Amino acid sequence: DAGVIQSPRHEVTEMGQEVTLRCKPISGHNSLFWYRQTMMRGLELLIYFNNNVPIDDSGMPEDRFSAKMPNASFSTLKIQPSEPRDSAVYFCASSLGVQETQYFGPGTRLLVL
Amino acid sequence: GNSVTQMEGPVTLSEEAFLTINCTYTATGYPSLFWYVQYPGEGLQLLLKATKADDKGSNKGFEATYRKETTSFHLEKGSVQVSDSAVYFCALSVYGNKLVFGAGTILRVKS
Repeated sequence: DAGVIQSPRHEVTEMGQEVTLRCKPISGHNSLFWYRQTMMRGLELLIYFNNNVPIDDSGMPEDRFSAKMPNASFSTLKIQPSEPRDSAVYFCASSLGVQETQYFGPGTRLLVL
Repeated sequence: GNSVTQMEGPVTLSEEAFLTINCTYTATGYPSLFWYVQYPGEGLQLLLKATKADDKGSNKGFEATYRKETTSFHLEKGSVQVSDSAVYFCALSVYGNKLVFGAGTILRVKS
């Protein structure tokens, strides 16, 4: 299996622009997680889905952030408008079940200028 | 609630030294316990896990034993290498609930 695939790997954008991060989970996994990692705040869970349904979005920082999972093989995390404080590495992870081992993608390194 | 506490880093060791990274947990229910490792520039990957008390997880020379009586899951390795330099995360899950991660411990191994 190719593992969890994320795109883009790097994104540099200007403040106010819309940013869309993409994730393809491992085939057969029914849980998907979005994390954000920064030096200051460490690893934060933003939102997770089970069977394409958002279960817990309490970690989403504010209304500028939204996530969708239209089908079992694709998810997006969107930031609109982006701000410099959104600069971070965003990871997607998937698992066979909510409590099972999570497999992480390589991450998207976002820099908002 | 469920939570994980790890020793603060960074931990700096010389090559071939013995490693211990402490991890304790609180959980409502009977958790499974995990250690994940994050190498520079990469995502987290599972290092080892244990699903019941007294189980020992092991991988790549690393070991951790599920201690219910002390609610601990300390990570150990007898002889570290420079290539072990990474961030190590302890985590737990309780049936039906998502994984809860600790803050991570940076390990630096010098040659």
